[in-house]
Amino acid sequence: GAGVSQSPSNKVTEKGKDVELRCDPISGHTALYWYRQSLGQGLEFLIYFQGNSAPDKSGLPSDRFSAERTGGSVSTLTIQRTQQEDSAVYLCASSPLRPAQETQYFGPGTRLLVL
Amino acid sequence: AQTVTQSQPEMSVQEAETVTLSCTYDTSESDYYLFWYKQPPSRQMILVIRQEAYKQQNATENRFSVNFQKAAKSFSLKISDSQLGDAAMYFCACYAGGTSYGKLTFGQGTILTVHP
Repeated sequence: GAGVSQSPSNKVTEKGKDVELRCDPISGHTALYWYRQSLGQGLEFLIYFQGNSAPDKSGLPSDRFSAERTGGSVSTLTIQRTQQEDSAVYLCASSPLRPAQETQYFGPGTRLLVL
Repeated sequence: AQTVTQSQPEMSVQEAETVTLSCTYDTSESDYYLFWYKQPPSRQMILVIRQEAYKQQNATENRFSVNFQKAAKSFSLKISDSQLGDAAMYFCACYAGGTSYGKLTFGQGTILTVHP
């Protein structure tokens, strides 16, 4: 079946502009995650959605970052007033509730460049 | 909270030979899972292998196997009969409950080069 999809694949923006990144999880997966990968680094957790529960936002680096998940499916990560340090690859992942919620399947990521 | 450490920034191997990538972790949780992910230049994170901490038997997936040493908190990945397509960045990751529920904690990654 289809995997996790993300759009756009690449995004170039100017400092101070807002950007929206989209994630389409695997059909039927109840959990959705956003991670950030800075150049040559490991992945940093940003936010976690599970079903209709309140999201775990503990990884968001500042209040310029927010995310929504509509209808328990598609998610949008919004970065307001982008800064150059926001340049990174933003990866989305999803996982089923059962039998193995701990196993996360990743999308191809969105590469964001802030000029 | 947990930490994951990969002490080898880069490794190389000849095609058809065997290579081992190292990973150590730390967690206060008794129930956790460990993973190796592969990230080729395409950026797609691909699950290579997973290990449940409660299982003593080391996981294997075709040419990939792990050496899980629970007491030492070590989780190394062995790639046998290396192929050119194995060249990628490899990440070790840990998933545990408690306050870290829902989050994968990743190491810094190891770049694997495969020489023909």
